[in-house]
Amino acid sequence: DGGITQSPKYLFRKEGQNVTLSCEQNLNHDAMYWYRQDPGQGLRLIYYSQIVNDFQKGDIAEGYSVSREKKESFPLTVTSAQKNPTAFYLCASSKDRVSGEKLFFGSGTQLSVL
Amino acid sequence: DAKTTQPPSMDCAEGRAANLPCNHSTISGNEYVYWYRQIHSQGPQYIIHGLKNNETNEMASLIITEDRKSSTLILPHATLRDTAVYYCIEPNAGGTSYGKLTFGQGTILTVHP
Repeated sequence: DGGITQSPKYLFRKEGQNVTLSCEQNLNHDAMYWYRQDPGQGLRLIYYSQIVNDFQKGDIAEGYSVSREKKESFPLTVTSAQKNPTAFYLCASSKDRVSGEKLFFGSGTQLSVL
Repeated sequence: DAKTTQPPSMDCAEGRAANLPCNHSTISGNEYVYWYRQIHSQGPQYIIHGLKNNETNEMASLIITEDRKSSTLILPHATLRDTAVYYCIEPNAGGTSYGKLTFGQGTILTVHP
């Protein structure tokens, strides 16, 4: 079945450590997105990419980095500069720039700090 | 910030229709209204979208007022599995970049037996 796969489901980070969250899609979508969700809150956009080898900062990009070397993959690195990384992270994709609003989401990664 | 306004919570009896309102008074003439829902600890799921005509699909119906300043999502026969947070979204409300969706806090719908 086509879809978006996020891994791992749960991730723990030690102080000062960088961690990378995986996001893979086999929907042949051009655009991909990373959102962060805190308890009881809506989603906030971290980074998004409309095409391979190009990406833009969202509303809360500080302390995060991404790459888009392949159409299928959009990994998110939570760096040690992100002082409050504990959150639920969601990856999404859309067919293209024009249909950007119809997003397909992965099942999320819960990141916690040890 | 999201430019849509939704009630924070609503209740509905199982088997009855659930009507979820949303105000989007600043929406421009060519912008669609999108609805998503999120079941606890899962990623949001697309439900439906519309511009100015009423829309229906296998999941729900969307009624948009003639002035397009508000809409209502209708789940015609709510089940316990419809318990979720429902988000009404006006694209680009939070910025200028295309495809940048801004999610507010949504409406927590609780369906009771």
